[in-house]
Amino acid sequence: AQRVTQPEKLLSVFKGAPVELKCNYSYSGSPELFWYVQYSRQRLQLLLRHISRESIKGFTADLNKGETSFHLKKPFAQEEDSAMYYCALRPKGKLIFGQGTELSVKP
Amino acid sequence: GAGVSQSPRYKVAKRGQDVALRCDPISGHVSLFWYQQALGQGPEFLTYFQNEAQLDKSGLPSDRFFAERPEGSVSTLKIQRTQQEDSAVYLCASSLAGVLTGELFFGEGSRLTVL
Repeated sequence: AQRVTQPEKLLSVFKGAPVELKCNYSYSGSPELFWYVQYSRQRLQLLLRHISRESIKGFTADLNKGETSFHLKKPFAQEEDSAMYYCALRPKGKLIFGQGTELSVKP
Repeated sequence: GAGVSQSPRYKVAKRGQDVALRCDPISGHVSLFWYQQALGQGPEFLTYFQNEAQLDKSGLPSDRFFAERPEGSVSTLKIQRTQQEDSAVYLCASSLAGVLTGELFFGEGSRLTVL
């Protein structure tokens, strides 16, 4: 079955601390993976995709096929990073989302 | 407008009523998706259009759910005889390219509450 698992519903850190939001996926083929973010009172938007191998707003994510993971990382969290983060898998067209992790960055 | 537009933003329906939710995608976007997001959950895929063709409706939870996009632009999601379990935010997204590529741009959603 194609599935995305985000084990943490809430992650709370202090400003300046490192952040890692976990994502594991289940898919037998070659996956295409994304992180989407939803800031308070804003719409869901793309943060980054694994094929781009880019850093957006200081966030990076590396695809680990052996561990079937695509964890999102940032070395120094900022208060403006507080949001809901969704990991998503696109096996063939449609996006399959995880349940989301709420990141709260405290001053 | 520049983004995906959905209406109404909020809808309260009595159990058994029919509702219609509208999505205006970004002009020129070929692909259009509907998702259902229950409270505390991630978005769940409902259906997908490429232009006016509905290519995947595997996520529609029952035959009470129906979606159309007759002219390949605006789309309507209709829910007949609403039930309490239909309460959710319904998200529409569009993409410039076909299904295998392209970033999805989401609307703000239509929040449906069934009493």
